[in-house]
Amino acid sequence: SYVLTQPSSVSVSPGQTATITCSGENLRDKHVSWYQQRAGQSPVVVIYQSVKRPSGISERISGFNSGDTASLTITGTQAMDEADYFCQAWDSGSAVFGGGTTLTVL
Amino acid sequence: QIQLVQSGGEVKGPGTSVKVSCKASGYTFSNNGISWLRRAHGQGLEWMGWISGYNGRTNYAQKFQDRVTMTADTSTSTAHMELRNLKSDDTAVYFCARGGDGSAAYFDPWGQGTLVTVSS
Repeated sequence: SYVLTQPSSVSVSPGQTATITCSGENLRDKHVSWYQQRAGQSPVVVIYQSVKRPSGISERISGFNSGDTASLTITGTQAMDEADYFCQAWDSGSAVFGGGTTLTVL
Repeated sequence: QIQLVQSGGEVKGPGTSVKVSCKASGYTFSNNGISWLRRAHGQGLEWMGWISGYNGRTNYAQKFQDRVTMTADTSTSTAHMELRNLKSDDTAVYFCARGGDGSAAYFDPWGQGTLVTVSS
């Protein structure tokens, strides 16, 4: 079965840039979505179709997909960005999620 | 605005079944499908399957194929997910989300979540 691999944790200082990666075989050929889940809340899509940002999502958040790795970048990281982030793609008609990355803003 | 409101938390015994509902508002229910997902404590997100709001066609994840039934009632804009033969590791927060049909699909928005606890 298809596997998406994310680092379990990423730490960043306030105001710095955070990058979360998501690796999978031939991932560049798939549409990747990214979800943010803050503590005690439901997930929210922050990037879809690899690079598109839904309305209402901060312009500080961007997505990229090339080769076998997709990435989510948050510039000017703030305390409100502290959350779990999950990448997701489709394989053989099923949605597959990465294991999730906890972003800590130190 | 588009909203999905789920039923309340449940406590169930092993081997029993649970049925969770998800009422949609703010959009035409039959124009989109509903996916069901879950997250166990300390674990990641897991997709369980999808149901069309138009014709009730389903697409279940292989892991749940034998134990899950998803239904959609267009008259009330409500989707339901029933999971049978519950085990302790089914303890999780269950979410419904709009979307999930096609390789470009994404999930937006999500319901507030329903905690299902399986305990003897």
